[in-house]
Amino acid sequence: DIVMTQSPDSLAVSLGERATINCKSSQSILYSSDNKNYLAWYQQKPGQPPKLFIYWASTRESGVPDRFTGSGSGTDFTLTISSLQAEDVAVYYCQQYYSTPLTFGGGTKVEI
Amino acid sequence: QVQLVQSGAEVKKPGASVKVSCKTSGYTFTSFSIDWVRQAPGQRPEWMGWINTDNGNTKYSQKFQDRITITRDPSASTAYMELSSLKSEDTAVYYCSKQLDSWGQGTLVTVSS
Repeated sequence: DIVMTQSPDSLAVSLGERATINCKSSQSILYSSDNKNYLAWYQQKPGQPPKLFIYWASTRESGVPDRFTGSGSGTDFTLTISSLQAEDVAVYYCQQYYSTPLTFGGGTKVEI
Repeated sequence: QVQLVQSGAEVKKPGASVKVSCKTSGYTFTSFSIDWVRQAPGQRPEWMGWINTDNGNTKYSQKFQDRITITRDPSASTAYMELSSLKSEDTAVYYCSKQLDSWGQGTLVTVSS
């Protein structure tokens, strides 16, 4: 199984400041035949299901604000929130879909 | 709009089985797979398996291989997940998802004697 490791576990950021979340996979999730990274980012708020925010490591889902940016390739990935807003308080998970079982990172709790 | 509506909360005794339904609307059911993911309190989501809603083929996580059955009824645009031999560690919120881009509201399954 591919192990996904996120850091930090939590971070507190002032409104308007940048938040950076890291995600590392135990093996490369870059598929050579299509040159795509099989990585997604989700936002989850209490009592709600995860919400897909980014796929293919850097493609924003429709409706996701452009202050959210995904980057990275191979085994190392980053989710950046350029200017934190109050509504961004949540837990963020990375997830690989390169191979089954699909696996999630441990989550990063973003607070103000 | 795409909607996935799951069945209600369940309380089960150890050793019992639970079957959760996921009724979909707003898209062509047989065009997208359905995944099942569970999340224990305070834990990361855990992928359990998926079903090809067109031909019924399934893929399960090895962790649940012996205890899980995912089925679908295309005529009702509904998928089902049955988990048997329940243990207290199976207490979690169970989600269905359309290819992980749209999710049901979750079904809390509590396993307790």
